[in-house]
Amino acid sequence: DAGVIQSPRHEVTEMGQEVTLRCKPISGHNSLFWYRQTMMRGLELLIYFNNNVPIDDSGMPEDRFSAKMPNASFSTLKIQPSEPRDSAVYFCASRRSYGYTFGSGTRLTVV
Amino acid sequence: AQSVTQLDSQVPVFEEAPVELRCNYSSSVSVYLFWYVQYPNQGLQLLLKYLSGSTLVKGINGFEAEFNKSQTSFHLRKPSVHISDTAEYFCAVSEANKLIFGTGTLLAVQP
Repeated sequence: DAGVIQSPRHEVTEMGQEVTLRCKPISGHNSLFWYRQTMMRGLELLIYFNNNVPIDDSGMPEDRFSAKMPNASFSTLKIQPSEPRDSAVYFCASRRSYGYTFGSGTRLTVV
Repeated sequence: AQSVTQLDSQVPVFEEAPVELRCNYSSSVSVYLFWYVQYPNQGLQLLLKYLSGSTLVKGINGFEAEFNKSQTSFHLRKPSVHISDTAEYFCAVSEANKLIFGTGTLLAVQP
């Protein structure tokens, strides 16, 4: 079991650029979550999918953020255009029953 | 909506001393509770979880937590801490399949 795999681990980009974060959930897990962690706001749930279908995106901060899950083994979180206030660590997690497993995160810095 | 309160933002403790990290949740008919640990620059790792049954839950690394319904608490304890336990600890509650996190407690173990 390779766990939840996120890429890239670190991303530095200029304001206005498009950023795409990637996540591969654990095989057999039917739910996927995207969280954002900042010093000011802690861990916030952005969106989650159940069986590849978005269920709750109420945490997505703005229209600049979008997430997709085209199949059970892949999800993306896209920010377009990026802004300095989007700088944070973004975590992906997958779940089966009440077992939630987190990836190592992507540290995004927007300059 | 469910919420989790971690009143202590930081808990300093000497090595080999006991520690308790406090967590209170908003009341609900049924509640599933979790403790996660985050080491510097890493993802979140599950320490333990309460779904049902015995109110005393044992986890990894010698940690345990007690579910107290009357006090709506789920405090984390360890009888003797090590330097390597220095990390951020998050309490979380499951609501509608989502994990809602507290603000975290930094456990700082001093020699």
